[in-house]
Amino acid sequence: ETGVTQSPTHLIKTRGQQVTLRCSSQSGHNTVSWYQQALGQGPQFIFQYYREEENGRGNFPPRFSGLQFPNYSSELNVNALELDDSALYLCASSLGNRDTEAFFGQGTRLTVV
Amino acid sequence: GENVEQHPSTLSVQEGDSAVIKCTYSDSASNYFPWYKQELGKRPQLIIDIRSNVGEKKDQRIAVTLNKTAKHFSLHITETQPEDSAVYFCAARSAVGGTSYGKLTFGQGTILTVHP
Repeated sequence: ETGVTQSPTHLIKTRGQQVTLRCSSQSGHNTVSWYQQALGQGPQFIFQYYREEENGRGNFPPRFSGLQFPNYSSELNVNALELDDSALYLCASSLGNRDTEAFFGQGTRLTVV
Repeated sequence: GENVEQHPSTLSVQEGDSAVIKCTYSDSASNYFPWYKQELGKRPQLIIDIRSNVGEKKDQRIAVTLNKTAKHFSLHITETQPEDSAVYFCAARSAVGGTSYGKLTFGQGTILTVHP
C-alpha cells in the first residue's frame, strides 16, 4: 500500500449537486495532484497543490476547485455536477520539489445520475 | 502542453511470450517516464520508471527503453504470466507551476491479456 488514502470510496450524486472528495497524502509529502479517470481512459490531470497553494491546473472548468491543508491533506470540490463528471477520481502525493515518484490513492468512484 | 500517445490499445499474448507497449510524447522538456499497471477497480501501481538521462532500465521481467531524440519510450515484458493481465499506462512528467516535478500526462492505456 502507498499510504495515500481517499474518502469516500464510492459516491452517488444527482446532477446539479456539489461534492467534496478527500485525500490524505503520504507522510512527508507536500504535494497533492488530482486526476479524473473516465471509464476506459487514462487519468487526466485536474490540478496540483504544493505547500497549500494551487500551482498548476489542467483543462478543467472553475467549478472544479480544491484546497490543501497545513498537514498537506487535500480536498477536491466539484460544483454543479454534470453527468460527464462520473469517473474515478485519483489523488497522488509526492515531494513537489524533488525528483521522486508519485503515489496514488485507491480513488473515489463518483457516479452522477 | 504535453501529449502522450500509446499503442496498441489492446494486446493479447500467450503465456511465456513477450509483450511490448509503445508511447510517444510531445514535450521535449519532459524528464520522467513512469509505467503504471492498473487492475480493475484499483489504483494505478508504478511498475517501472525511467528518467531522461537514462536510455534503458530493467527490473526482472520488465524493461523500459527511452529514445529522447525520437521522443518515444517502450515497455517490454518478457515471459508473460496470466497475472500480468491488466491495463498498462505510460505517462510523461512535465513542469507545472514553479516546480519541474509536476503533472503526469497519461497515455490512453493498453489492455494486456495473457492467455494460459
